[in-house]
Amino acid sequence: AQSVSQHNHHVILSEAASLELGCNYSYGGTVNLFWYVQYPGQHLQLLLKYFSGDPLVKGIKGFEAEFIKSKFSFNLRKPSVQWSDTAEYFCAVRPGGSYIPTFGRGTSLIVHP
Amino acid sequence: EAGVAQSPRYKIIEKRQSVAFWCNPISGHATLYWYQQILGQGPKLLIQFQNNGVVDDSQLPKDRFSAERLKGVDSTLKIQPAKLEDSAVYLCASSLTGETEAFFGQGTRLTVV
Repeated sequence: AQSVSQHNHHVILSEAASLELGCNYSYGGTVNLFWYVQYPGQHLQLLLKYFSGDPLVKGIKGFEAEFIKSKFSFNLRKPSVQWSDTAEYFCAVRPGGSYIPTFGRGTSLIVHP
Repeated sequence: EAGVAQSPRYKIIEKRQSVAFWCNPISGHATLYWYQQILGQGPKLLIQFQNNGVVDDSQLPKDRFSAERLKGVDSTLKIQPAKLEDSAVYLCASSLTGETEAFFGQGTRLTVV
């Protein structure tokens, strides 16, 4: 069965620091990849997605992610975080041809002002 | 555009009682998902509907959980009887098709005591 690993469970940064959250998956074929964010007290929202094409994907709020097929990775990045980025971040993977997405366990990000 | 609506937001029940959750997806979305999110973990898919048919329910504990989407729109998820380990947030999500990104509701936080 496919699995999704998010290596950093808790990340604490100061404002203006750079962010990189890791996501690796175990499926060997074509995949669709997603990053979702959950702000405190709010529902899960899509940050960005990769289906095909340019492996560097730009999302909302200055986030981007790079799909590296050889490493089975889809890491999330932001050059300069803000206090408002404090949230839980989830990576999700859906094998091509499947309707079933699998989520990682999430990374809790706290940004100090 | 109205989002995914779920009710109730919170529910506390005693073990062995029954409980039901309701979800109204975004209008026109054919695919509906129910996820279980236990504290500290990522969402785990319980069941996925395409219109009123079940696409996948392999992770649904069918001895106590049931779900239906009779008219291909609203859906209900029921637990009977509840166990302590069912304490979690139950998330409903919908997507236009099974191949597009999912939009999530606020969730129902269930506490079984």
